[in-house]
Amino acid sequence: GIQVEQSPPDLILQEGANSTLRCNFSDSVNNLQWFHQNPWGQLINLFYIPSGTKQNGRLSATTVATERYSLLYISSSQTTDSGVYFCAVVEGYGGATNKLIFGTGTLLAVQP
Amino acid sequence: DAGVTQSPTHLIKTRGQQVTLRCSPKSGHDTVSWYQQALGQGPQFIFQYYEEEERQRGNFPDRFSGHQFPNYSSELNVNALLLGDSALYLCASSLQGRGYTFGSGTRLTVV
Repeated sequence: GIQVEQSPPDLILQEGANSTLRCNFSDSVNNLQWFHQNPWGQLINLFYIPSGTKQNGRLSATTVATERYSLLYISSSQTTDSGVYFCAVVEGYGGATNKLIFGTGTLLAVQP
Repeated sequence: DAGVTQSPTHLIKTRGQQVTLRCSPKSGHDTVSWYQQALGQGPQFIFQYYEEEERQRGNFPDRFSGHQFPNYSSELNVNALLLGDSALYLCASSLQGRGYTFGSGTRLTVV
């Protein structure tokens, strides 16, 4: 099955700093999402981005499907950005019944 | 617009017992998936329900079973609980496989 790897595994930032998180996947995908899991376990959907670039406030994401990677950019980080960031993909051709395969996650800690 | 609702939020069970977790999908969504997330790991796919049928299943034993109702809500049942079943159980809903939305999860502790 498809493999999803994220880097770096851990990241410590000072408040206000910028960061880039990377997600590599081993095969073609039909769906890619970025999630933020807060310290209470809630998975928040950040982006649905199978290809192209999207921006939402201080966050933006780019997926280059042909090269099998996606990047999540966090600018002007805040302490509330702390948590685990997951990339998740759906392999194959899409449709109603495809499962999400999660990456290994990046643990981000933003210090005041 | 209500998101995905899961109940209960926390649960403590004894080894060998049975447990039922519940999920109401986001309004307009027709597909429900269940995931198990052990401490320090990413969520692992358990199974997915669409049109009241189990359409895909991950690498989980038959002790894990589920159901989807006509209103698209779903239940996850785990029989003969083991200590290793302790985890955060997440429900996700989607419409035709686009843009999954997750609930807050049920944290199950088996003692």
